[in-house]
Amino acid sequence: DAGVTQSPTHLIKTRGQQVTLRCSPKSGHDTVSWYQQALGQGPQFIFQYYEEEERQRGNFPDRFSGHQFPNYSSELNVNALLLGDSALYLCASSVQGTHGYTFGSGTRLTVV
Amino acid sequence: AQSVTQLGSHVSVSEGALVLLRCNYSSSVPPYLFWYVQYPNQGLQLLLKYTSAATLVKGINGFEAEFKKSETSFHLTKPSAHMSDAAEYFCAVSERSSASKIIFGSGTRLSIRP
Repeated sequence: DAGVTQSPTHLIKTRGQQVTLRCSPKSGHDTVSWYQQALGQGPQFIFQYYEEEERQRGNFPDRFSGHQFPNYSSELNVNALLLGDSALYLCASSVQGTHGYTFGSGTRLTVV
Repeated sequence: AQSVTQLGSHVSVSEGALVLLRCNYSSSVPPYLFWYVQYPNQGLQLLLKYTSAATLVKGINGFEAEFKKSETSFHLTKPSAHMSDAAEYFCAVSERSSASKIIFGSGTRLSIRP
């Protein structure tokens, strides 16, 4: 049984560009949350999707947006990339109403 | 607002020694509490979770944590450290509502001396 799958594992972008990160949740999970983990810090909550809607949002600017598809997979989009957006982006899936989160291995984004 | 504070960004112990990683939480209502481990270049793995049953929670790899409401603490312990325990450990808190997010601490890096 596959866990949470994230793609790509690594990517390098230039300042001002746009990026899309993808997440496939664990089988049976219907909720996807995204986290940003800067080097040496704990993960910071970006937003959570359930039933194809953004249900909660952390303290991130509108440059960060997302989407959830009918098959529960999700995308994280970041526009107008800044150097400070360089981080490990983690996706976590769960079943709505529970607190059993499964994390993916993350996407390492480097902005140059 | 909920938050967690991990005391000590880096802890070093000898192999076979007791591991103690400290975590204090802030929450206006009884929360869910978690400990996660992160190995280099990997995601987060759940070690254990407190959900209001027994205050002493046993997790994987010989780790356990005790919920102390009076001290607002949820410290992680392991009686005997192994070299394979070297990793980053995160304490986290979540509200009990159905769609609650997890709030993480800043992490504690555990090093094991031979």
